[in-house]
Amino acid sequence: AQSVSQHNHHVILSEAASLELGCNYSYGGTVNLFWYVQYPGQHLQLLLKYFSGDPLVKGIKGFEAEFIKSKFSFNLRKPSVQWSDTAEYFCAVTNAGKSTFGDGTTLTVKP
Amino acid sequence: DAGVTQSPTHLIKTRGQQVTLRCSPISGHKSVSWYQQVLGQGPQFIFQYYEKEERGRGNFPDRFSARQFPNYSSELNVNALLLGDSALYLCASSQGQGGYTFGSGTRLTVV
Repeated sequence: AQSVSQHNHHVILSEAASLELGCNYSYGGTVNLFWYVQYPGQHLQLLLKYFSGDPLVKGIKGFEAEFIKSKFSFNLRKPSVQWSDTAEYFCAVTNAGKSTFGDGTTLTVKP
Repeated sequence: DAGVTQSPTHLIKTRGQQVTLRCSPISGHKSVSWYQQVLGQGPQFIFQYYEKEERGRGNFPDRFSARQFPNYSSELNVNALLLGDSALYLCASSQGQGGYTFGSGTRLTVV
């Protein structure tokens, strides 16, 4: 069974700090990869997605993620976080119609 | 544009009862997925439907069933409710294999 592991449960950063959230998945075949964000009081929103091609994908609000196939990883990055990035972030993997989410990383950005 | 709409928003049921949750996808989206989310965890995949056919099923008991209608709306049914079924149930839609757009969910409480 495929699984998704997000290494950090809670990350606290100051504004302008750089962000990297780890995501590893277990499935060895072809997968589609996603990062979702859930702002306080809002529903899940798609940040970015990877299907194939350039392993560095850019999403909304200055986020990007790099797919490293050899490491089964899809880490999320942002060069300079803002207070408004405070949210919960979920990594997800989809294969053959089945989606698996990680347990999420809560990001708190201090102003 | 209307997003993914789910009804009801909140529901309280007694153990052993049956419940039906409803979802209307974004116009033009033919794929609908259902997830269960409990506090502190990521969404757990229940079902995916595409063009009214089941395309994926998660590790949930047969008490859980779903269907998709010709207008692409969907229902999730849960029979013989258990206390452990208390959770937020999320519906998400997409045009195909792309990233999903989530609804705000139905909060089910089983007492």
